[in-house]
Amino acid sequence: AQKVTQAQTEISVVEKEDVTLDCVYETRDTTYYLFWYKQPPSGELVFLIRRNSFDEQNEISGRYSWNFQKSTSSFNFTITASQVVDSAVYFCALASNNAGNMLTFGGGTRLMVKP
Amino acid sequence: ETGVTQTPRHLVMGMTNKKSLKCEQHLGHNAMYWYKQSAKKPLELMFVYNFKEQTENNSVPSRFSPECPNSSHLFLHLHTLQPEDSALYLCASSQDFGGRGAGFGQGTRLTVV
Repeated sequence: AQKVTQAQTEISVVEKEDVTLDCVYETRDTTYYLFWYKQPPSGELVFLIRRNSFDEQNEISGRYSWNFQKSTSSFNFTITASQVVDSAVYFCALASNNAGNMLTFGGGTRLMVKP
Repeated sequence: ETGVTQTPRHLVMGMTNKKSLKCEQHLGHNAMYWYKQSAKKPLELMFVYNFKEQTENNSVPSRFSPECPNSSHLFLHLHTLQPEDSALYLCASSQDFGGRGAGFGQGTRLTVV
């Protein structure tokens, strides 16, 4: 069975603060993929990143960075110098070959960035 | 613009009504999905179609009936729904989840009264 846990249900920060969203996953598969999606108030889910289980290199894209650590089964997401437009619900998800590549989502973290 | 379009964006229906949600993808993907997003619950996978064939039905009540006439279109037919079915229904498509990641529509906000 697969499971994704996002322990932080809501985070509130002030603009320009850095914020880290936590994601912990469980899977018995050795080959799997981890994702982050952003869901702005408009409702659609926007793909942010995909990581496969063999690539533990951290990734940076602009103000976004991701820290993948297999030893702790975590795939944390950091936003540097947050902006009001970053306010959204962020979902971490897991897909593995043995689960038919179906996405299992975490419960989501609502991020509120205040001016 | 994600390439996945859902209509309508908002729907209010009575418990005796019959309505349908529509999803269309312009990405050339072979797999399409329906997800349900309720308040305070994780996203729940409802149905999966791969090459127009249903491959997954996640114990969804029969008052939800999917239809996939071709790889680009997916419908969710609704009848005799309950107030607890009120939720955001998201459609997604993918070539392969291990590839680019699924593209999602903007969702249909359904309210059952």
